[in-house]
Amino acid sequence: ETGVTQTPRHLVMGMTNKKSLKCEQHLGHNAMYWYKQSAKKPLELMFVYNFKEQTENNSVPSRFSPECPNSSHLFLHLHTLQPEDSALYLCASSKRLPDRAEGNTIYFGEGSWLTVV
Amino acid sequence: QKEVEQNSGPLSVPEGAIASLNCTYSDRGSQSFFWYRQYSGKSPELIMSIYSNGDKEDGRFTAQLNKASQYVSLLIRDSQPSDSATYLCAVNRYNNNDMRFGAGTRLTVKP
Repeated sequence: ETGVTQTPRHLVMGMTNKKSLKCEQHLGHNAMYWYKQSAKKPLELMFVYNFKEQTENNSVPSRFSPECPNSSHLFLHLHTLQPEDSALYLCASSKRLPDRAEGNTIYFGEGSWLTVV
Repeated sequence: QKEVEQNSGPLSVPEGAIASLNCTYSDRGSQSFFWYRQYSGKSPELIMSIYSNGDKEDGRFTAQLNKASQYVSLLIRDSQPSDSATYLCAVNRYNNNDMRFGAGTRLTVKP
């Protein structure tokens, strides 16, 4: 138990479907992240929210839409995805936009396995 | 050039041996360095963090950092089969949230 909970753990969706991934952190953190992990590729940072405000969007296609209603919850809305979007989607959190080296350890949730058919 | 490079492996060591995992990074402004372990089908979990040049020991794990050479390593002493996993190197500047990960090194410890 990492303190970061993701649901659903597994999701199969068609290319025309709309679905959402949910993340909740119980660590009192105020920065939250979405990462994508594909086979044999490095973790790719998708979105960063700091104090509910989006601070990073690493050229992610608009078919992925994040939402952060508060510092504890993060959603990833999925719409008209492609088969190549099938991957493990990891939510993570950290204390804050770090102002010193020791402040930016991030903690991951268990991930949501997404398959697009 | 990849921002964080790791040998993808697989690295195979016998039980009880020392496993040595290496990582190089390209951003000279990096100040925070992390090693995560990821079991198959699971999420990454933090093993070690290091911020200053030199060695940092925690149980069977030792992280080594050389900022001049842009090199960070992880040594696992007395390797156990339960250490078999993929090890991810990650680096970051302290003033942003954009942590960069390597692709990981797969370690197998044979009984």
